[in-house]
Amino acid sequence: NAGVTQTPKFQVLKTGQSMTLQCAQDMNHNSMYWYRQDPGMGLRLIYYSASEGTTDKGEVPNGYNVSRLNKREFSLRLESAAPSQTSVYFCASRDLRVSNQPQHFGDGTRLSIL
Amino acid sequence: QKEVEQNSGPLSVPEGAIASLNCTYSDRGSQSFFWYRQYSGKSPELIMSIYSNGDKEDGRFTAQLNKASQYVSLLIRDSQPSDSATYLCAVNSGGFKTIFGAGTRLFVKA
Repeated sequence: NAGVTQTPKFQVLKTGQSMTLQCAQDMNHNSMYWYRQDPGMGLRLIYYSASEGTTDKGEVPNGYNVSRLNKREFSLRLESAAPSQTSVYFCASRDLRVSNQPQHFGDGTRLSIL
Repeated sequence: QKEVEQNSGPLSVPEGAIASLNCTYSDRGSQSFFWYRQYSGKSPELIMSIYSNGDKEDGRFTAQLNKASQYVSLLIRDSQPSDSATYLCAVNSGGFKTIFGAGTRLFVKA
């Protein structure tokens, strides 16, 4: 029972490099989310996808792009990485077909940008 | 701006005591409420959901909801050192997003 799977788990980049973080869920959920969490801080929403084919900005979208490849997969891309993007990135999904459902999280990607 | 507020802590309780974590939210239209536990270096894990006023118990955990006061709480009875973590309050206000609080750090001293 995989749930939400994120790859890679760890990554070190140099400033200016590009990178795509992958997320896949096997729960047939329609909505998916990308968050970042900095040390001692709460979750900040980067982008979300309410359904296949749609994406919307969250509170901190600058420097990121997303692709909802299909119902299962939602990727996050850093086109030109900056040290300020060093963070832990979490992907989550939620079933909007049923009311009052929680989000379910992946294990996270720990990204360091030098 | 919809908000969820939590005391950042740390909240320190002795082993065996009751830990009480509190959360307030701003959107009166909020419909569902969740508590997540996050161990250091790990992802948030759902531990409780509550949808109607009153108490909901699950093992050592009790969630309490008061919609009139816009207040959610989590009680942990017989606290154990393994309960030491950050607890996130989360609220669905309708729509696609879930609003998360910044979390309360709990330390349970052996």
